[in-house]
Amino acid sequence: DQQVKQNSPSLSVQEGRISILNCDYTNSMFDYFLWYKKYPAEGPTFLISISSIKDKNEDGRFTVFLNKSAKHLSLHIVPSQPGDSAVYFCAAICLHNQAGTALIFGKGTTLSVSS
Amino acid sequence: SAVISQKPSRDICQRGTSLTIQCQVDSQVTMMFWYRQQPGQSLTLIATANQGSEATYESGFVIDKFPISRPNLTFSTLTVSNMSPEDSSIYLCSVEDTGPYNEQFFGPGTRLTVL
Repeated sequence: DQQVKQNSPSLSVQEGRISILNCDYTNSMFDYFLWYKKYPAEGPTFLISISSIKDKNEDGRFTVFLNKSAKHLSLHIVPSQPGDSAVYFCAAICLHNQAGTALIFGKGTTLSVSS
Repeated sequence: SAVISQKPSRDICQRGTSLTIQCQVDSQVTMMFWYRQQPGQSLTLIATANQGSEATYESGFVIDKFPISRPNLTFSTLTVSNMSPEDSSIYLCSVEDTGPYNEQFFGPGTRLTVL
């Protein structure tokens, strides 16, 4: 069973509006969460992360919210720009178990921002 | 799953010197990454190590400071050059699995202290 789920395979948003990408996880041992952006044929680009001791982290147009009780996190992009069009991966890791630790990725959500 | 080893596991270095960290994987992998975990900060992607070509660096990281080699699909090195105390960190090698959930596995890390 998937430990990290991104239930929306795609999202379309108009330029200037807010993009909200959602992610759910099942393993309560995860203590660190990351969002990556990926263009075709390229490696993932780290976007923003959040520790489980926080509920919000903001970096420019990107904000990640964490709801531990619901095991849910979301990435908000405001305002959305056409250059934000990419696949966004949510990932989770149990950092305190460092040896051979797996960063578990969701399957990704393809964001399309139209001008 | 991939088994990753890193050498050295830890080191204490003098300012101005360089340290090369080795990462060995027990299977051939396409995607290899180098991360940094500084005290109290986010896990940060330094670069994607590309086999047979120059590494792809994230914003804020340059080849002169962090030269990377990737001679084959199972091995990579990261050099931290002309070190300063600000480079004190845990450096993590990571690989991306080609399995159904795109898991990413981390090595045990190299704890670097620069005096």
